Amino acid sequence: GAGVSQSPRYKVAKRGQDVALRCDPISGHVSLFWYQQALGQGPEFLTYFQNEAQLDKSGLPSDRFFAERPEGSVSTLKIQRTQQEDSAVYLCASSSQVRDEQYFGPGTRLTVT
Amino acid sequence: AQSVTQLDSQVPVFEEAPVELRCNYSSSVSVYLFWYVQYPNQGLQLLLKYLSGSTLVESINGFEAEFNKSQTSFHLRKPSVHISDTAEYFCAVTPSGGYNKLIFGAGTRLAVHP
Repeated sequence: GAGVSQSPRYKVAKRGQDVALRCDPISGHVSLFWYQQALGQGPEFLTYFQNEAQLDKSGLPSDRFFAERPEGSVSTLKIQRTQQEDSAVYLCASSSQVRDEQYFGPGTRLTVT
Repeated sequence: AQSVTQLDSQVPVFEEAPVELRCNYSSSVSVYLFWYVQYPNQGLQLLLKYLSGSTLVESINGFEAEFNKSQTSFHLRKPSVHISDTAEYFCAVTPSGGYNKLIFGAGTRLAVHP
């Protein structure tokens, strides 16, 4: 079956632009996570959704970052007024139940110039 | 809070040689432990996990890891590596209660040479 998909796969933004990154989780998966992976580092947690409820946003680095999952399926991570330090790979993961294995998407590589 | 330390950023090894990728963690609560693998241009894939029970866990492709609570370690081993094992390996932990918020190490790049 289809896995987690993310779009776009690559995004180049000029500093100050807004970007929106999309995640399509595996159908029926309850939990959805966003992680940020800087070059040469491991992924770092950004935010967690259980269905449409955002239960944890403690990892969002600033108020320029915003995530939503309005219908409990597709999720969008929005970054306003992008800065160079936002350059990273943004990973989305989903799991069927709260404590099940997470399945990761291929990521979106964001480059801010 | 939890943290994960992967002691080696890169591990070069010849094909058919044994390998060990080291992982140590810090946590004030009990945790579950994971190893993920990331092949070039692909997403993260779960390699193996420790939740409870036997401290030695194995993957289907010959890797194994042993949970050592006293040393707070979860080292990954394989007795004989293949070229196809070349990838980035990430150790991760999550608190055993609540949802699976993963805390990752910085990763170890395994490079298998012929």
